[in-house]
Amino acid sequence: EPEVTQTPSHQVTQMGQEVILRCVPISNHLYFYWYRQILGQKVEFLVSFYNNEISEKSEIFDDQFSVERPDGSNFTLKIRSTKLEDSAMYFCASTPLRTGELFFGEGSRLTVL
Amino acid sequence: AQTVTQSQPEMSVQEAETVTLSCTYDTSESNYYLFWYKQPPSRQMILVIRQEAYKQQNATENRFSVNFQKAAKSFSLKISDSQLGDTAMYFCAFMKWVNTGTASKLTFGTGTRLQVTL
Repeated sequence: EPEVTQTPSHQVTQMGQEVILRCVPISNHLYFYWYRQILGQKVEFLVSFYNNEISEKSEIFDDQFSVERPDGSNFTLKIRSTKLEDSAMYFCASTPLRTGELFFGEGSRLTVL
Repeated sequence: AQTVTQSQPEMSVQEAETVTLSCTYDTSESNYYLFWYKQPPSRQMILVIRQEAYKQQNATENRFSVNFQKAAKSFSLKISDSQLGDTAMYFCAFMKWVNTGTASKLTFGTGTRLQVTL
């Protein structure tokens, strides 16, 4: 069964460094998302992406963050100049329908020291 | 803006018993969808059940069923014949209907950690 895959599963970085989290959505899906979950807290929406552009972004998704779909398969989240509070689990999701079930990856745990 | 509230941070149920997880939401939207997602330890979130707000009939999926009360903005999940594999974090989520050309999003509650015991 097709799955959303994310790499790396865990990344440790120093504060101020840039991080790129990668996602391979399910191949026929059209809508892509990033969510994050700070340990013990709720899952928060970061950004949605459709037709090669951002569809919606949350107030969390400031200039520090960017997303790209550089080719037909990858969907990346870049965090520039990481802060301690960026430490979280980041989930990628995709769906073929604009109001359908989201399929989630296993997440990338980011630890900022 | 929509909000989703799960008032039970943790619950426990014995194997083979039935448990109900609560969820309430607040929205001014008339067309929307409600979801329950399950997140087993160290695994991705997977869909348990989905309900369209325009449907009066409660959704069911094998041992999982919902009690959708639109007027009360309540969307509880009932798990029958609980199994050890049901141990997970359960998230209630809201998605509003959107026009073609835009992506909707899920708004999650804080989750209920369910432990199924022998």
